[in-house]
Amino acid sequence: EPEVTQTPSHQVTQMGQEVILRCVPISNHLYFYWYRQILGQKVEFLVSFYNNEISEKSEIFDDQFSVERPDGSNFTLKIRSTKLEDSAMYFCASRDRGRRTEAFFGQGTRLTVV
Amino acid sequence: DQQVKQNSPSLSVQEGRISILNCDYTNSMFDYFLWYKKYPAEGPTFLISISSIKDKNEDGRFTVFLNKSAKHLSLHIVPSQPGDSAVYFCAAYGSSNTGKLIFGQGTTLQVKP
Repeated sequence: EPEVTQTPSHQVTQMGQEVILRCVPISNHLYFYWYRQILGQKVEFLVSFYNNEISEKSEIFDDQFSVERPDGSNFTLKIRSTKLEDSAMYFCASRDRGRRTEAFFGQGTRLTVV
Repeated sequence: DQQVKQNSPSLSVQEGRISILNCDYTNSMFDYFLWYKKYPAEGPTFLISISSIKDKNEDGRFTVFLNKSAKHLSLHIVPSQPGDSAVYFCAAYGSSNTGKLIFGQGTTLQVKP
């Protein structure tokens, strides 16, 4: 069964460093997303990406964040200068065409900023 | 901005009995709802969905009911099994058509053998 894969599973970084979280969405999907879940809180939307551009972003997704689909398979989330409060589980998701199809999530990357 | 709310943080049921997980929403523009299950250290897994043109959708042991007038939906699991123990998230597609999901806080279900 096709699945969304994320690497690494756990990333520890020092405050102020740049991190890149990587995702390989399901191959024929057209819509790509990043969500995050701070420990004990709800899953929050960060950004949606379609047709090689951001289609929507949340207030959380400020200038420190960027997304890229550098080739036909990878989808990355970059945090330019990490802060302690960026520590969270980051989930990538992808969705097929169609207005109301379900999103499939990766297993997540646990980002710890120290 | 809690547009999707799950007011019960946890639920414990006996194996074989029914589990009922509840969810409320505030935005009447929401027209599609989904339930996801999440195990520790894994991503959310899609369970079942319902469109606002329906009031019930069934898939095996899982049934979702939608009451639009009350802005309330519920997930019924019958019979409950120990493997169902997980965190269950209710979610709605936002009104922007980008496919953005708005999640509730989650309910931790424990099914006791």
